[in-house]
Amino acid sequence: DQQVKQNSPSLSVQEGRISILNCDYTNSMFDYFLWYKKYPAEGPTFLISISSIKDKNEDGRFTVFLNKSAKHLSLHIVPSQPGDSAVYFCAAHNDYKLSFGAGTTVTVRA
Amino acid sequence: DAGITQSPRYKITETGRQVTLMCHQTWSHSYMFWYRQDLGHGLRLIYYSAAADITDKGEVPDGYVVSRSKTENFPLTLESATRSQTSVYFCASSGTETYEQYFGPGTRLTVT
Repeated sequence: DQQVKQNSPSLSVQEGRISILNCDYTNSMFDYFLWYKKYPAEGPTFLISISSIKDKNEDGRFTVFLNKSAKHLSLHIVPSQPGDSAVYFCAAHNDYKLSFGAGTTVTVRA
Repeated sequence: DAGITQSPRYKITETGRQVTLMCHQTWSHSYMFWYRQDLGHGLRLIYYSAAADITDKGEVPDGYVVSRSKTENFPLTLESATRSQTSVYFCASSGTETYEQYFGPGTRLTVT
């Protein structure tokens, strides 16, 4: 039973436009949420995170929004750049363990 | 080298063989984790360890064995490999003061 879901397997966006990635979760015990970025043949790398007591966290071009009542979070990338083409994983933390979504493949078109 | 390393990076083995995947981290992180990545499933936790000699099962532990005699090493053993264990395996580590996990480069395992 997957507790973290990313319902869009892929996203294509034009360079310079906004990329919006979505993630839903079911476990109310999750207290921290993270986004990871993964290039082919490499391990995932941490991108940005948010505590469950906040609703927004921003880091440069990346902003994560959390709607706790809806058990939904999203990652906004503005503006999208060619180097952003990768797989993005949403992860949720509880008791030192992370539960991951299936990932969304982002392709940034020139 | 500083960080987290995995070996081998690629491995092909036959059904029924025993295989050990190695993971080494230089940060002295307390926590270490093994995940497998499969299409449509994302990353699924196999086993994790909170400290040396303390290990626990994750979401998909069947067919795998782990040990942690030293803080920096966390090997994963497939006792009798099956085709369903063909996957990409990632090791990760984290400290006790942060929720972020830091991942190794992965091992691509093919069981024929």
